[in-house]
Amino acid sequence: GNSVTQMEGPVTLSEEAFLTINCTYTATGYPSLFWYVQYPGEGLQLLLKATKADDKGSNKGFEATYRKETTSFHLEKGSVQVSDSAVYFCALIRGGGSNYKLTFGKGTLLTVNP
Amino acid sequence: GAGVSQSPSNKVTEKGKDVELRCDPISGHTALYWYRQSLGQGLEFLIYFQGNSAPDKSGLPSDRFSAERTGGSVSTLTIQRTQQEDSAVYLCASSPQRSDEQFFGPGTRLTVL
Repeated sequence: GNSVTQMEGPVTLSEEAFLTINCTYTATGYPSLFWYVQYPGEGLQLLLKATKADDKGSNKGFEATYRKETTSFHLEKGSVQVSDSAVYFCALIRGGGSNYKLTFGKGTLLTVNP
Repeated sequence: GAGVSQSPSNKVTEKGKDVELRCDPISGHTALYWYRQSLGQGLEFLIYFQGNSAPDKSGLPSDRFSAERTGGSVSTLTIQRTQQEDSAVYLCASSPQRSDEQFFGPGTRLTVL
């Protein structure tokens, strides 16, 4: 079946540090890949996505590249801010069909200190 | 515009009682999803509605769980004879037709004592 594995947290960084959160997946077909973010006290929000191999999703300074050869979709940001403190979820939607149910990783808690 | 809303935001109940959780999707969104977020299991898909098609119930953990969607809009998730392991945050999401982007509500935190 489909599954997503992401690095366990928590991750604690100082402001302006470089961020990488690793994510690998197992899926049949050609899945679409997503990063969702959950800020404290708020609901899940889509951060970025990529729908085919070698696509790069980007938003708010975050980037992730769909690597089919390594089945990975690592999240990166060059310089984190305190406001980036949140839980980050990697997720996929199995390719094909019309049911877009998401399969999520366990989530990674990021804390950025000033 | 208004986002996905869920009610109640918090629900505390006693083991064995039934509960109903409500979701109001974004107007015009044809697809509606329920997910459960718990410490042990992470985020899990429960059920999916798309227009007038039969729902995909493949994620419901037991027959104590059911959901309906009336008039293609509001949805209710019902848990009968609640158990302590049902304690979790229940999330609802909606999306436009043929879109892979889901918009999530704030969730209902259910605590079963």
